Amino acid sequence: NAGVTQTPKFQVLKTGQSMTLQCAQDMNHEYMSWYRQDPGMGLRLIHYSVGAGITDQGEVPNGYNVSRSTTEDFPLRLLSAAPSQTSVYFCASSSAGNTIYFGEGSWLTVV
Amino acid sequence: GEDVEQSLFLSVREGDSSVINCTYTDSSSTYLYWYKQEPGAGLQLLTYIFSNMDMKQDQRLTVLLNKKDKHLSLRIADTQTGDSAIYFCAENPNTGGFKTIFGAGTRLFVKA
Repeated sequence: NAGVTQTPKFQVLKTGQSMTLQCAQDMNHEYMSWYRQDPGMGLRLIHYSVGAGITDQGEVPNGYNVSRSTTEDFPLRLLSAAPSQTSVYFCASSSAGNTIYFGEGSWLTVV
Repeated sequence: GEDVEQSLFLSVREGDSSVINCTYTDSSSTYLYWYKQEPGAGLQLLTYIFSNMDMKQDQRLTVLLNKKDKHLSLRIADTQTGDSAIYFCAENPNTGGFKTIFGAGTRLFVKA
């Protein structure tokens, strides 16, 4: 079972560069989300989606864009990377707000 | 606003019981979760409890919920070195939308 797949696992960016973190799930979940994990701060919600074509902002959305053109995919775009966006990013999916399934994480460093 | 708090570190000896505590603020939460994160990996659901329950036991794991005090705990019996990980408490507020709130995570160290 693939579950939630996110790529890349590691990425180094220069300040000002843009990139997209990919996320795909094969469980037909309607809910998908992106979190960032920083030391001592737990997981913070960046953006989430409750279905194809519907997205909304989470706790820390600034500097990030998302889209949900299909049920399976939920990419996260960094428009102009900043060192403050150095973090570990997790994509997650769930059905009807129940158990959340996480991807393996993407380690992003912005220099 | 909603908030979930837990201590950042816990150290126990192998074979002892570990108790990880968590407090939350939203009394309308319908689900409360414990997730485990091993180094370099994502979070995996360990167990969960419905808000209408006081206790849930699953093999070595015991979850206790005190709704009055908004306190959740996870007890791991006979803690093993493989239990070393970060444990996240999370609540799913009954906001009508999708938004699970996570604590900062408790790093469990198990000494052999």
